[in-house]
This record gives sequence, structure tokens and C-alpha cells, in this order.
Amino acid sequence: EPEVTQTPSHQVTQMGQEVILRCVPISNHLYFYWYRQILGQKVEFLVSFYNNEISEKSEIFDDQFSVERPDGSNFTLKIRSTKLEDSAMYFCASKTGDSYEQYFGPGTRLTVT
Amino acid sequence: GEDVEQSLFLSVREGDSSVINCTYTDSSSTYLYWYKQEPGAGLQLLTYIFSNMDMKQDQRLTVLLNKKDKHLSLRIADTQTGDSAIYFCAARFSNFNKFYFGSGTKLNVKP
Repeated sequence: EPEVTQTPSHQVTQMGQEVILRCVPISNHLYFYWYRQILGQKVEFLVSFYNNEISEKSEIFDDQFSVERPDGSNFTLKIRSTKLEDSAMYFCASKTGDSYEQYFGPGTRLTVT
Repeated sequence: GEDVEQSLFLSVREGDSSVINCTYTDSSSTYLYWYKQEPGAGLQLLTYIFSNMDMKQDQRLTVLLNKKDKHLSLRIADTQTGDSAIYFCAARFSNFNKFYFGSGTKLNVKP
């Protein structure tokens, strides 16, 4: 069964460094998402991406964040200058054009020290 | 504004039924989802229901929706130790693609 994959599973970085989190959505999916879950808190929407552009973003998704689909398979989230409060589990999700189901990857745990 | 709330913990004995509850706050047409998260794993979609439905059953899972009270529940029949996980309720409101998640209910199944 096809699934969303994410790499790395755990990333440790120093404050101020740039990180790129990678996702490979399910191959025939057209909508892509990033969510995050700070430890002990709710899963929060960050951004949705369709047709090579951002379709919606939350207040959390400020200028420090960017997303890209550099080729036909990867979907990346870049954090330019990480802060301690960016430490969280980051989930990628994808869906087809006519489905109401979002399929989530296993997440990348980002630890900023 | 949109919000989704869940109780944090539930403990049941193996073989009993589990009922996990969720409330949501938006009044427009809504899709409501249940996801399961096992330790170290991602969010696995279990089932979903549209807000014009009252109930949906899928094998051991039954979803009940009370639209008036904006209350959603997930019943797991004959709960097994393998059902131990965190269960997330999520809602997709109106024309938005993004999901709003509850905090997750940690289900502990005792042998």
C-alpha cells in the first residue's frame, strides 16, 4: 500500500541553523501539507500546497518557513533560522484532488538546542 | 473559531468496548476524522464521517455523530491490546483543506 514517507526521522540542530525536512507524498496525490505537533500540544496546521504554490498557511508559517516541491516526488519544509520553540514533530500529509482523506507520514522529530 | 476537543486518557480492559469522545465548534458542513498514532509511528487514518451522517460502521469501529451537540465518538468493539495508541479526532470545515486536530486520547488496554 502506498504511503507518505519522511526523512530524517529525527533531526537535531543548533539554534539559528537552517533545516530542511523532506517528504515524499503518495505518487498520484496533488495536495500537500505540513503540520507540526509541539510536545504535549495539538497537531497544528502549517501550510497547504497545490499546483506548485501555497494555497493556505497559518499564522505559524512566517517568513522563516518555506516549502518547495523541487522535483516530481519530494516536498520539503525549510526553516531558515531555527528557534528553540521550533522543536516539534513535523508531519507531512498528502491527498488526491477529489478525496477528503489526508494521508500522513510518520513525522520528523526536530530538536533545536 | 474552529476548535476540536478530546479527553486525554482512557483505560479499558481487553475485550471491553472503548468509547473515545470528541467535540467540535464549527457549525458549517464538516468532515470529521479519526486517526490512530502508535508509538513512533505516523497518523493512520481509521475512518471519517460527513456531518450529514449520524453513524458509520467499519468492522470493530463505529462512529456516532450528534450534530446538535457537535459531539463525535469512536467506539471500538472487543478492544485488544494492539488497539493501545493515541486516537486523534480531526475536523475539516467548509471549504478549507486544512485539518483541525484535537489533543489526542491515549487509550490504554489492560490485559
